[in-house]
Amino acid sequence: KQEVTQIPAALSVPEGENLVLNCSFTDSAIYNLQWFRQDPGKGLTSLLLIQSSQREQTSGRLNASLDKSSGRSTLYIAASQPGDSATYLCAVKQGNTPLVFGKGTRLSVIA
Amino acid sequence: DGGITQSPKYLFRKEGQNVTLSCEQNLNHDAMYWYRQDPGQGLRLIYYSQIVNDFQKGDIAEGYSVSREKKESFPLTVTSAQKNPTAFYLCASSRQGRTYTEAFFGQGTRLTVV
Repeated sequence: KQEVTQIPAALSVPEGENLVLNCSFTDSAIYNLQWFRQDPGKGLTSLLLIQSSQREQTSGRLNASLDKSSGRSTLYIAASQPGDSATYLCAVKQGNTPLVFGKGTRLSVIA
Repeated sequence: DGGITQSPKYLFRKEGQNVTLSCEQNLNHDAMYWYRQDPGQGLRLIYYSQIVNDFQKGDIAEGYSVSREKKESFPLTVTSAQKNPTAFYLCASSRQGRTYTEAFFGQGTRLTVV
């Protein structure tokens, strides 16, 4: 059964720092991996989707990489801002089964 | 404006009462999902549907029921058999297939037992 792990569970950084969030999964036979952002009391907002054939995707200050063979993905956030404070979740998709989620990393960016 | 709409945003249930959470999407997605989120436990799958008039149980289906009579709608009923229903409920949808299957979520419904 696929398991997704996100480490660390929480992270606090000063404004302006570049940071990396980690996601690992146990079964490398995935279709794609998706990164989400969740603000307190809100739904999930899709940030980036990486297909299994891709190595990375970029959107603004965000860059997500995928190493399918080792079962790892990273989300790189450049020049962090207080508005980036949120919980970040990764999820993997296999076949037509639903997404399997990690528990998330709660990020605090301190001004 | 394409997206997923969940209603209500807040819902209060009395002991022994059934309540229904609404989820509507206008993205023309075949697949729809219900997740439950509790503090420290991440998202857990309740039910999902890949096509109209068909649905499958997820990891925590006991005490819940769903229907999928229309492609756009996937309501979730929390029955009195669900002993601990207080949680944040999230609905999602996506295309089926191998590519372009990005999942989109609604804004959630917070259910509280009173």
